[in-house]
Amino acid sequence: DAGVIQSPRHEVTEMGQEVTLRCKPISGHDYLFWYRQTMMRGLELLIYFNNNVPIDDSGMPEDRFSAKMPNASFSTLKIQPSEPRDSAVYFCASSTYRATEAFFGQGTRLTVV
Amino acid sequence: AQTVTQSQPEMSVQEAETVTLSCTYDTSESNYYLFWYKQPPSRQMILVIRQEAYKQQNATENRFSVNFQKAAKSFSLKISDSQLGDTAMYFCAFMKRGDNTGKLIFGQGTTLQVKP
Repeated sequence: DAGVIQSPRHEVTEMGQEVTLRCKPISGHDYLFWYRQTMMRGLELLIYFNNNVPIDDSGMPEDRFSAKMPNASFSTLKIQPSEPRDSAVYFCASSTYRATEAFFGQGTRLTVV
Repeated sequence: AQTVTQSQPEMSVQEAETVTLSCTYDTSESNYYLFWYKQPPSRQMILVIRQEAYKQQNATENRFSVNFQKAAKSFSLKISDSQLGDTAMYFCAFMKRGDNTGKLIFGQGTTLQVKP
């Protein structure tokens, strides 16, 4: 398996634009997590899904952020409109029930100018 | 709510020497798991070691070992025979038992530089 795949690896966008980050979890994994990493706040859990259903979105910072998981092999995190303070590395991770480890993608570095 | 604190933002060590990274946490839970993750410059998050709170024996993975002090809520990582490839940011993380292993609370991280 290729692991958790995120795209794009880097994204530069202008303030006010819509940004969509993508994640393909490991096949067979039924949990998917979105994290954000910043210098100030470290790694924070934004939202997670189980069997494609959002379970906890309490970490989503604002209504500008939304996440979907239309099927077991794909998830998106959307920011609309984007702001400079959204600049961060966004990670996707996947796991299974009773797993001893979650597997992370390589992250998307988002820069909003 | 659980919190994880890493009080050493940066550390350095000479190649082949031993270094210890500190982590403390706060929780009212009695059953939980603790992790150390490594993030090299490639950004990939790599699990280094995992400790189950109800096990008194400290976890060990090759050159990596932990000192788990449950009463003190301390979970330090010892890296023996440091190698240049150990240069990375290291994160301590907490998971409540019953939660999925991807639902983690991370510390702020410690940047480790291994010098030749």
